[in-house]
Amino acid sequence: AQKVTQAQTEISVVEKEDVTLDCVYETRDTTYYLFWYKQPPSGELVFLIRRNSFDEQNEISGRYSWNFQKSTSSFNFTITASQVVDSAVYFCALRRSGYALNFGKGTSLLVTP
Amino acid sequence: GAVVSQHPSRVICKSGTSVKIECRSLDFQATTMFWYRQFPKKSLMLMATSNEGSKATYEQGVEKDKFLINHASLTLSTLTVTSAHPEDSSFYICSAWTGEGGTEAFFGQGTRLTVV
Repeated sequence: AQKVTQAQTEISVVEKEDVTLDCVYETRDTTYYLFWYKQPPSGELVFLIRRNSFDEQNEISGRYSWNFQKSTSSFNFTITASQVVDSAVYFCALRRSGYALNFGKGTSLLVTP
Repeated sequence: GAVVSQHPSRVICKSGTSVKIECRSLDFQATTMFWYRQFPKKSLMLMATSNEGSKATYEQGVEKDKFLINHASLTLSTLTVTSAHPEDSSFYICSAWTGEGGTEAFFGQGTRLTVV
């Protein structure tokens, strides 16, 4: 079975704080893809990152960084120096064999001034 | 980049009527598209896989007679909510993959359906 767990339902931080969103996944596949998406209040899904199971390098994109650890089946997302515009729901997802995505329940991030 | 366009973005309909939602891949061909449903403050759940030229594959528990999916061309999939009821009110969003081996999923803007 494939499953994505985002244990943090809601997180509230003050602007400029760093925040880490956790994602733990389960899969029996040896090759798999993990994703992070941002969903602002408008509803559309914004692609943030894709990581395949063979690439364990951590990635940094501006204020965003991702820590992929196969040993703990985790793919955590950190926002450095958070901003109000980062307020959104963030989803971690695992691609199924048929290319559909299994989403976690999402973490709602609120960044206040 | 690849774009998936979904229309309408919002629709209000009366109970008992049918509503059609369109999902188009604008600059690439998509033999397969996916339809998801999202309840307020909930995750996205796969409803069905839409296959060009053949029948859609529905997830367990999704009523295929209520949620009709047609994928008549390589750039268009439609979801029709038939005989809509208030419990069908939800956010519906489609997606399609592009890139070699399907490495990138693009999503439509979503459709917020309200049945009154």
